[in-house]
Amino acid sequence: KAGVTQTPRYLIKTRGQQVTLSCSPISGHRSVSWYQQTPGQGLQFLFEYFSETQRNKGNFPGRFSGRQFSNSRSEMNVSTLELGDSALYLCASRGRSGKPYEQYFGPGTRLTVT
Amino acid sequence: EDKVVQSPLSLVVHEGDTVTLNCSYEVTNFRSLLWYKQEKKAPTFLFMLTSSGIEKKSGRLSSILDKKELFSILNITATQTGDSAVYLCAVGAPRLTFGTGTRLTIIP
Repeated sequence: KAGVTQTPRYLIKTRGQQVTLSCSPISGHRSVSWYQQTPGQGLQFLFEYFSETQRNKGNFPGRFSGRQFSNSRSEMNVSTLELGDSALYLCASRGRSGKPYEQYFGPGTRLTVT
Repeated sequence: EDKVVQSPLSLVVHEGDTVTLNCSYEVTNFRSLLWYKQEKKAPTFLFMLTSSGIEKKSGRLSSILDKKELFSILNITATQTGDSAVYLCAVGAPRLTFGTGTRLTIIP
């Protein structure tokens, strides 16, 4: 069974630009969560989508947004990039039958903002 | 706001030693506690615990949860160099709050 996939794996952007990251969950999983990981703040929750609806949102500014499609694939968008947005962005999917709260992470997208 | 504290922050041991990693937490509504292993890539799922006193085991790794005292431990026996990683503890479901992790280094 294929794991969580994320594209692209690496990205370099300039301040002020916007970026879109993509995540495909494990087949059959309907929930996708996004996390930001930085050396200073560790892993922080961004938001969760389930059946195309945002169900939870972390404490991030409105520049961070996301959506989920009918096939459960999710995208995350960051507008007006700042240097502090440089981070590893991880998505996680869950929904395994009988174990709905086990979350499995994808390889991440390493975003560098210059 | 949920809070997770892991200790120690880092640990260096020799191959073959046994280690115990600690995770204490504060949550408003406990659902689960999860352990992950992170090397130079994404976190790999190890265990999820929801009930007190029930030990989860996978090979040389085991974990137990104490919901009364609000902590969990992760034990690794007969450590190997491949166990070198950051071990992360998280609580909540589905929104996870992570600790800062314990960096474990195994010396051959």
